[in-house]
Amino acid sequence: SQQGEEDPQALSIQEGENATMNCSYKTSINNLQWYRQNSGRGLVHLILIRSNEREKHSGRLRVTLDTSKKSSSLLITASRAADTASYFCAGVGSARQLTFGSGTQLTVLP
Amino acid sequence: DGGITQSPKYLFRKEGQNVTLSCEQNLNHDAMYWYRQDPGQGLRLIYYSQIVNDFQKGDIAEGYSVSREKKESFPLTVTSAQKNPTAFYLCASSPNSDTQYFGPGTRLTVL
Repeated sequence: SQQGEEDPQALSIQEGENATMNCSYKTSINNLQWYRQNSGRGLVHLILIRSNEREKHSGRLRVTLDTSKKSSSLLITASRAADTASYFCAGVGSARQLTFGSGTQLTVLP
Repeated sequence: DGGITQSPKYLFRKEGQNVTLSCEQNLNHDAMYWYRQDPGQGLRLIYYSQIVNDFQKGDIAEGYSVSREKKESFPLTVTSAQKNPTAFYLCASSPNSDTQYFGPGTRLTVL
């Protein structure tokens, strides 16, 4: 079963706008991670937020985590055409395995 | 160059044939993983190994087998028992720090 579910499934924005993706998960986690996948390629790790953290920043990325609601959000500011990709959240539980959601397909139009 | 490699990039197989996908890493990571990805879907865990000569089933292990004879290598065999093997297969490794590092993937098509 998949741990996370992303929302929306697809998002299309203009270059320069901000993109927000949401993730909900079902069971307790030690941390939650966001990955990016360009079409037909492997995944690239973007950012990890631990269960005792509420917000984390990395460059143009901002991640929030609300453990009471079992949800997380990824914000990409000042988006670029090169940000076009699929974005996945993945929860890590006590077994230290990643359980992925179904992803958000982001398209940034030039 | 350090990294994780998968070969081949594309693989075609006839029904009823077994096929082995290669995954090699020179990152000195203890843990390695195999995932399957279907179109428009997330990744599902097939098998994982946290140490040489040991591996565990993931969520969808039926019809697959693995071995971990060397730290650097974690090959996946898709057997004829796998009813719907056409998919994108991703291998990953981890230094047991939760973050995983992915290879470029192998796209398997059953003809």
